[in-house]
Amino acid sequence: ELKVEQNPLFLSMQEGKNYTIYCNYSTTSDRLYWYRQDPGKSLESLFVLLSNGAVKQEGRLMASLDTKARLSTLHITAAVHDLSATYFCAARPDPGGTSYGKLTFGQGTILTVHP
Amino acid sequence: SAVISQKPSRDICQRGTSLTIQCQVDSQVTMMFWYRQQPGQSLTLIATANQGSEATYESGFVIDKFPISRPNLTFSTLTVSNMSPEDSSIYLCSVLGADGYTFGSGTRLTVV
Repeated sequence: ELKVEQNPLFLSMQEGKNYTIYCNYSTTSDRLYWYRQDPGKSLESLFVLLSNGAVKQEGRLMASLDTKARLSTLHITAAVHDLSATYFCAARPDPGGTSYGKLTFGQGTILTVHP
Repeated sequence: SAVISQKPSRDICQRGTSLTIQCQVDSQVTMMFWYRQQPGQSLTLIATANQGSEATYESGFVIDKFPISRPNLTFSTLTVSNMSPEDSSIYLCSVLGADGYTFGSGTRLTVV
């Protein structure tokens, strides 16, 4: 059974600082996703990572994937208040099994950026 | 990517009653999912809605409590039956399309 763990669960940052959110998953996965959720809203897709060593960047956010370590990271550079939200990673099992297509989500990281 | 219309966006219901949530997609999709997000928690998969056959439920979720219909490749409903306050959550539908996963806007359910 695929399990996904994020840390930290709560992150309070000052504007301008850098930090990393970690996402570990327990079994092989063919896709790793990062989502953002604002209070009372649905999920906004940030990144999908497909292969070992994949790195994607959008603005102040950069995601990477190490399939050998079963680890993905979401790095925040020079945080701004607008980045305050909850961030989820989610992994999808490899194709071929009965769980294919089903996403397993991490617990979520509540990010608060302070002036 | 697919566009999802999910209704209602929110509702307040009396315990013991049922609520049906609708999810309409603007294109045909093979895989459609229903999730629950309890207050302050992550998303938990309830079931996979299969077109033309019974839904596939995850551990801890049963058809009598969460009956699901999937009459075609663009529409599904989730019913929350015999509700109790513990059912107060956000319910989201999701589809897997060519561009990846898309999530509906969610239904915020409060049971009183």
